[in-house]
Amino acid sequence: EAGVAQSPRYKIIEKRQSVAFWCNPISGHATLYWYQQILGQGPKLLIQFQNNGVVDDSQLPKDRFSAERLKGVDSTLKIQPAKLEDSAVYLCASSSGTGRGGTFGSGTRLTVV
Amino acid sequence: DQQVKQNSPSLSVQEGRISILNCDYTNSMFDYFLWYKKYPAEGPTFLISISSIKDKNEDGRFTVFLNKSAKHLSLHIVPSQPGDSAVYFCAAQTLNRDDKIIFGKGTRLHILP
Repeated sequence: EAGVAQSPRYKIIEKRQSVAFWCNPISGHATLYWYQQILGQGPKLLIQFQNNGVVDDSQLPKDRFSAERLKGVDSTLKIQPAKLEDSAVYLCASSSGTGRGGTFGSGTRLTVV
Repeated sequence: DQQVKQNSPSLSVQEGRISILNCDYTNSMFDYFLWYKKYPAEGPTFLISISSIKDKNEDGRFTVFLNKSAKHLSLHIVPSQPGDSAVYFCAAQTLNRDDKIIFGKGTRLHILP
């Protein structure tokens, strides 16, 4: 079974620039999550999709962050404009809802300078 | 409001001894509790889970214990090996409602030679 694919692995941008991350979940997984992990902290859920509908985006800073999951498969997360405090690892995970949690991709490490 | 808490940021254990990682939670509606292991520059990897209706689950060297009355779970690793050095995240998942996965802040485990 192929894992969760994320790209790019690393990104360095200046503050106020925009950036986009891409995620391809495991085939057949209906649930897709985007997490933000700041150094020294646990992953924080930004947004959760069930197929192509949003289940929870309560912690997504909607003035600058947006996400979509077209056709219930791939997903993109965008930040526009970026701030210094957005520097973090952005993790994508997918789940089939079996109680084994989510399968994570390797993440995208974003550095905002 | 932190629903999943790991109060020990780090733990050092001699190789061959038992490692015990602890986790507390506040929400009694969680259906599953999960442990993830994370190496640097990689996404979290699912390790073991336990249903809220069980009190113990074992998989090789890894055992998770759940005390629902105390809202506490622990991960035991016996015997500890050098490759176990990593950050361990406790997480909790709700099913059949929103399939949300909430993470603790993690505990860094050092296995000493």
